[in-house]
Amino acid sequence: DQQVKQNSPSLSVQEGRISILNCDYTNSMFDYFLWYKKYPAEGPTFLISISSIKDKNEDGRFTVFLNKSAKHLSLHIVPSQPGDSAVYFCAATPSSATSYDKVIFGPGTSLSVIP
Amino acid sequence: NAGVMQNPRHLVRRRGQEARLRCSPMKGHSHVYWYRQLPEEGLKFMVYLQKENIIDESGMPKERFSAEFPKEGPSILRIQQVVRGDSAAYFCASSPPNRGSNYGYTFGSGTRLTVV
Repeated sequence: DQQVKQNSPSLSVQEGRISILNCDYTNSMFDYFLWYKKYPAEGPTFLISISSIKDKNEDGRFTVFLNKSAKHLSLHIVPSQPGDSAVYFCAATPSSATSYDKVIFGPGTSLSVIP
Repeated sequence: NAGVMQNPRHLVRRRGQEARLRCSPMKGHSHVYWYRQLPEEGLKFMVYLQKENIIDESGMPKERFSAEFPKEGPSILRIQQVVRGDSAAYFCASSPPNRGSNYGYTFGSGTRLTVV
């Protein structure tokens, strides 16, 4: 049973336009959400996160939106650049900073930004 | 300050052999996590270790797989009697005792295991 879902395996976007990557989750205990970016032959790198007490977090060109009632979050990249082409993993955890619970990852969305 | 170091980067084993994957966490990180990425799938949690302790191994297959994080040296993920279905990318991540505001991990570059 997949607790974190990314229903779009791939997405193509023109350079300069907005990329929107979607993620849904089923576990209502999740209260912290993360996005990771992964290039081929490299490990995932942390991109941006959001706590369930917020509905938006912005960092430069990257913004994550959380709709807790719908159990849905999205990552917006604007403007998209060719270097953004990568696999993006949505992830979630029910933990606080001082307690443990494993981070659960979605299957990933492969983003291609076309010059 | 080196990141999470995994070796080897690529490992080829014949069916029935043993595979040993190593992970050295970032300096100051005492928590290690192993994830597996099968082809066309996401990252699946396998095991969480602290020094000399296995904290959560709920994602480890019941047979042939084991992990350790000794007092000295890297964490080791060991797969005995490998089968073709074990072919995957294995990623190690580490974190400090308190994960900090991003609750995230730092990942290594992975070990790509191919069983022939």
